[in-house]
Amino acid sequence: DQQVKQNSPSLSVQEGRISILNCDYTNSMFDYFLWYKKYPAEGPTFLISISSIKDKNEDGRFTVFLNKSAKHLSLHIVPSQPGDSAVYFCAASGNQFYFGTGTSLTVIP
Amino acid sequence: ETGVTQSPTHLIKTRGQQVTLRCSSQSGHNTVSWYQQALGQGPQFIFQYYREEENGRGNFPPRFSGLQFPNYSSELNVNALELDDSALYLCASSSGRSLAKNIQYFGAGTRLSVL
Repeated sequence: DQQVKQNSPSLSVQEGRISILNCDYTNSMFDYFLWYKKYPAEGPTFLISISSIKDKNEDGRFTVFLNKSAKHLSLHIVPSQPGDSAVYFCAASGNQFYFGTGTSLTVIP
Repeated sequence: ETGVTQSPTHLIKTRGQQVTLRCSSQSGHNTVSWYQQALGQGPQFIFQYYREEENGRGNFPPRFSGLQFPNYSSELNVNALELDDSALYLCASSSGRSLAKNIQYFGAGTRLSVL
């Protein structure tokens, strides 16, 4: 039962452009949503989070948007840089912690 | 570098055997969580330990068990290994019980192969 879904396994973006990564969830009781970034042979690294009482949170080049009515969140990276190339996981917190399946982002120089 | 270290990095076992994976938490962290990441999937929450007691569990059978020690290091034990247990096992430490409000710092994982 996949409660957090990332329907795009991969995404390619030109350097300097915007990267938009999407995530959908099914459980309306989730109270926090997070994004993690993972490089090969490393563990996931926390990127940004948002509480369910907010609809936007911004940290430098990274912005997360939450649409509770649609049960959808997205991560915007502007401008995208080659070092952003990694696998991005969204995650949600409820009675336990749920990760999506990941989106592999490639930023082309 | 997160300060969370896991050992061993790779492990090969046969079906039916038992395995113990180890995790050393980041200094000052009293909470550890374990995750299983199968190939092509996201990490799945196994359980969490807070100050040496289990504080939450995902949908994993009892043959997955754990321990947290007074120094907050941790072990994941898996009995009666099955082929589907082949995965990357990730450990994460944090400074509080809430997995959402306290940043989790992950180790690089242990790659377990069950033959």
